Amino acid sequence: AQKVTQAQTEISVVEKEDVTLDCVYETRDTTYYLFWYKQPPSGELVFLIRRNSFDEQNEISGRYSWNFQKSTSSFNFTITASQVVDSAVYFCALSEGSGAGSYQLTFGKGTKLSVIP
Amino acid sequence: DAGITQSPRHKVTETGTPVTLRCHQTENHRYMYWYRQDPGHGLRLIHYSYGVKDTDKGEVSDGYSVSRSKTEDFLLTLESATSSQTSVYFCAISESEGSDSSDEQFFGPGTRLTVL
Repeated sequence: AQKVTQAQTEISVVEKEDVTLDCVYETRDTTYYLFWYKQPPSGELVFLIRRNSFDEQNEISGRYSWNFQKSTSSFNFTITASQVVDSAVYFCALSEGSGAGSYQLTFGKGTKLSVIP
Repeated sequence: DAGITQSPRHKVTETGTPVTLRCHQTENHRYMYWYRQDPGHGLRLIHYSYGVKDTDKGEVSDGYSVSRSKTEDFLLTLESATSSQTSVYFCAISESEGSDSSDEQFFGPGTRLTVL
């Protein structure tokens, strides 16, 4: 069965600090997909990134970057020079690529990030 | 933003009453999902649909049923609501070709349901 662990329940940082959100996953499939979603205080869920299991290249998008390491089953998310608008709950999620589990996103329990001005 | 609406956005009901939540999309996406979000649990899949009249159970399907008679609408029904079903319910859509679930899911605004 697939599982996603976000060990950090809450993190607080001061504005302009860098912060890394950890995500560790478990799956038996060789084909799978990893995602990050952001849930700001307003409550909506915003898609941030998708990465498939065959692409271990790190990705950078502005102040956001993602580090995918299959050797440690981790897909960590770093925010550089954090801003107050980054305050949100961040979810890591996993989808297996074939079989009965293909349609299911398994979410971690989320990490609440508070950026203090 | 993906065109997904949920109705109602808020509902308070009593134990034992039936409740139906509606998800409507304007994207013509094939796949639709219902999740519930509870503190300490993240989001958990209740049911999903891979086409009109094609649905299947997710992780926490007990006490829920779904129907999809049109591509754009996916209904979630609580036949007899219980207090344990108090939650925030999210609908999501995705457009995956074949059996590949690689496409990201886009979420609706959520429905906050309180069962007294």
